Amino acid sequence: ETGVTQSPTHLIKTRGQQVTLRCSSQSGHNTVSWYQQALGQGPQFIFQYYREEENGRGNFPPRFSGLQFPNYSSELNVNALELDDSALYLCASLKQGVVHNEQFFGPGTRLTVL
Amino acid sequence: AQSVTQLDSHVSVSEGTPVLLRCNYSSSYSPSLFWYVQHPNKGLQLLLKYTSAATLVKGINGFEAEFKKSETSFHLTKPSAHMSDAAEYFCVVSDRRENFNKFYFGSGTKLNVKP
Repeated sequence: ETGVTQSPTHLIKTRGQQVTLRCSSQSGHNTVSWYQQALGQGPQFIFQYYREEENGRGNFPPRFSGLQFPNYSSELNVNALELDDSALYLCASLKQGVVHNEQFFGPGTRLTVL
Repeated sequence: AQSVTQLDSHVSVSEGTPVLLRCNYSSSYSPSLFWYVQHPNKGLQLLLKYTSAATLVKGINGFEAEFKKSETSFHLTKPSAHMSDAAEYFCVVSDRRENFNKFYFGSGTKLNVKP
């Protein structure tokens, strides 16, 4: 197992609510990426955080936002939840600047929106 | 833009027979290629990665993959399947243009291993 942890493991929300997911990166890693994995699909890149700033974003609306803290941990916030936001949310940590980087994934947070 | 196509959504093999999971990629720059495995209710685990050092890459649990630039392929193989190999497998590409930090995943191949 990697040293990446995520909380909570499961979450149930209703449409219109807001949710915050948390991720602690592996020791020595300074960058966190977030992915959304809908049922039956591969993970889709949401965004990445490095030095507490967004460092790349996928095709997701602004209601998906994030934070990175000085200890490199990160949060994913989703506002105005929609039914299609139901998915497994994965975070991955890596060390910036390494050529041919591999990413280390956490176990994920399963979000259900009713 | 980069993209990954996994040619089979489901593959079923008998225990002890070879495994072949197919992946084609699209990248304008020198890519990094990875195979990850996802067991039910578990996170993604790296099986192996191609980083331009050698075209035949050996990974964990007896898996290997061959990078073929002319065919833009990176197929995953294993000589003899084990029941514990049943899982979903993802082919992933990243490249220099985005500092190798953004991963593009294929849609996944579910491997079923029959006794």
